[in-house]
Amino acid sequence: GDSVTQTEGQVALSEEDFLTIHCNYSASGYPALFWYVQYPGEGPQFLFRASRDKEKGSSRGFEATYNKETTSFHLQKASVQESDSAVYYCALGFNNAGAKLTFGGGTRLTVRP
Amino acid sequence: EAAVTQSPRNKVTVTGGNVTLSCRQTNSHNYMYWYRQDTGHGLRLIHYSYGAGNLQIGDVPDGYKATRTTQEDFFLLLELASPSQTSLYFCASSVDRGGDTQYFGPGTRLLVL
Repeated sequence: GDSVTQTEGQVALSEEDFLTIHCNYSASGYPALFWYVQYPGEGPQFLFRASRDKEKGSSRGFEATYNKETTSFHLQKASVQESDSAVYYCALGFNNAGAKLTFGGGTRLTVRP
Repeated sequence: EAAVTQSPRNKVTVTGGNVTLSCRQTNSHNYMYWYRQDTGHGLRLIHYSYGAGNLQIGDVPDGYKATRTTQEDFFLLLELASPSQTSLYFCASSVDRGGDTQYFGPGTRLLVL
């Protein structure tokens, strides 16, 4: 079946550090790829998506590029802030009827002031 | 912005108890989902639905029933609650197909003693 793997379970950085969270997927087709963010005490919220190879998704300074060759969608941010501390989820989904999103295990980002 | 509400926000029950979690979305979305979130497992799909009266089985359905009574309302039922069902439950909705962006509610924290 389809799957999403996030390599890092936890990431700890200082403010203004560069962030990379790795996301790789396995799917038997051409899925849309998503990043969601979950702040403490809240539900996950959509960050951005990309639907085709080499497309870049971005929002709030975060970005990721769909790479079909390496089956990856790594999340990056040039300079993190303490307010970016949250859990980040990578997900994939297909646009056929009845389809659902498949989520990765999540990565907890902690940013020290 | 999609609006998804859940009730109750917190619930305590005993083993063998009967629990109903409620979810309502007010943006005319066709798809609705129930997830559980546990440390080390991320988000796991329990059941989902693409319309009133429809129910699809998710990835971890054992011990759960669900019912979609209207386009707005989706319920998760635990008829014989067990301690293993202690978790944080999220409801979500999406406009149309499963590959669309999902909008999450604030979550219900369930404790089964």
